[in-house]
Amino acid sequence: DTGVSQDPRHKITKRGQNVTFRCDPISEHNRLYWYRQTLGQGPEFLTYFQNEAQLEKSRLLSDRFSAERPKGSFSTLEIQRTEQGDSAMYLCASSSAGPRYNEQFFGPGTRLTVL
Amino acid sequence: RKEVEQDPGPFNVPEGATVAFNCTYSNSASQSFFWYRQDCRKEPKLLMSVYSSGNEDGRFTAQLNRASQYISLLIRDSKLSDSATYLCAPQGGKLIFGQGTELSVKP
Repeated sequence: DTGVSQDPRHKITKRGQNVTFRCDPISEHNRLYWYRQTLGQGPEFLTYFQNEAQLEKSRLLSDRFSAERPKGSFSTLEIQRTEQGDSAMYLCASSSAGPRYNEQFFGPGTRLTVL
Repeated sequence: RKEVEQDPGPFNVPEGATVAFNCTYSNSASQSFFWYRQDCRKEPKLLMSVYSSGNEDGRFTAQLNRASQYISLLIRDSKLSDSATYLCAPQGGKLIFGQGTELSVKP
């Protein structure tokens, strides 16, 4: 399977714990995006990378959230001191930098439940 | 005003019907537009990309009206398998999604 992959698919944690999610983009894609989606809403943009550079961060991304893409390949999203309001589906997407760079392809997501 | 607004659903239609969804956007600088479909508890999947005035792919047609800042998606001859939530997203680096329009196609 050469699509975007995410790990884990599900995560249940207690409030106050730290969690880390991983995203592996499509191999030839140099752009990687993180979104968050709650029930009944469309995905909300969190941040994106071009290669290893983090180019934009949403105001939704509080200080408890940090994302990295150290070698320009996979990315991690860490949430520190989780809160119940962090419960959501965390989606990763990737795109190329070519003429169709706008077309983003999503991974299956990581569903986070904070108890 | 939200950046992207979609027709509130749900749309309940019989098989074979034609159904259209609208999506309005506020950023007049948007150049690319996308329709994604999302099945329950699954990731969004790219359905159509629109870079000019419109695009057609089989039973699906997307039309872009830049002057009025809206984009529509028309589905002809609806199938049961078309039941999903349809998300509109103008693009400017990141995707800004609408809240989605739920479609339910009934036998």
